[in-house]
Amino acid sequence: DIVMTQSPDSLAVSLGERATINCKSSQSLFYSSTNKNYLAWYQQKPGQPPKLLIYWASTRESGVPDRFSGSGSETDFTLTISSLQAEDVAVYYCQSFYGMPKTFGQGTKVEIK
Amino acid sequence: EVQLVESGGGLVQHGGSLRLSCATSGFAFSNFWMTWVRQAPGKGLEWVANIKQDGSEQYYVDSVKGRFIISRDNTKNSLYLQMNSLRVEDTAMYYCARDTPYYYDGSGLLWGQGTLVTVSS
Repeated sequence: DIVMTQSPDSLAVSLGERATINCKSSQSLFYSSTNKNYLAWYQQKPGQPPKLLIYWASTRESGVPDRFSGSGSETDFTLTISSLQAEDVAVYYCQSFYGMPKTFGQGTKVEIK
Repeated sequence: EVQLVESGGGLVQHGGSLRLSCATSGFAFSNFWMTWVRQAPGKGLEWVANIKQDGSEQYYVDSVKGRFIISRDNTKNSLYLQMNSLRVEDTAMYYCARDTPYYYDGSGLLWGQGTLVTVSS
């Protein structure tokens, strides 16, 4: 099974500053026949279900603010919030879509400094 | 608008059974894989199981194999999770999610609000 490891486990960022979350997979999530990386990012606010932010590692879901961006390839991926807003306080998860099971990272909690 | 509404959660004793349901609307149910994900209190997300469009393939996390059965009814646009031999460690919020149209597809999950399962000792 693919193991997804996020870092850090938590981070505190000042309002308006950049937040960066890393996700590392135990094997490549790049599928050469489609030239895509099979990774998604989610945001989960307290008391709510997760919400899809990014898929194919870098494609923003419809309606997601453009301050959220995804990057990376193969085994190393990053979710960046370019200018942290108060409403971005949440736990963020990455997920592998390369085969089964579709494992999640352990989550990264983002707070305001 | 995609909607997924879970039901069937509740309090059950260790060793007991529950059947979760997920009623869906707003998309072509029979065109998508469907998934169950759970989240123990204060913990992260755990992928539990998924099922192919026609029900011919199912995949499970090791910890539930042989105890849980995922199924679907495309005529009712509904997903199910039969949970048997429940353990205290199965206590969690269970989310139904629309998965992808293809086995190899990275287009992400869309989630319901969840139903809470509590297993007592």
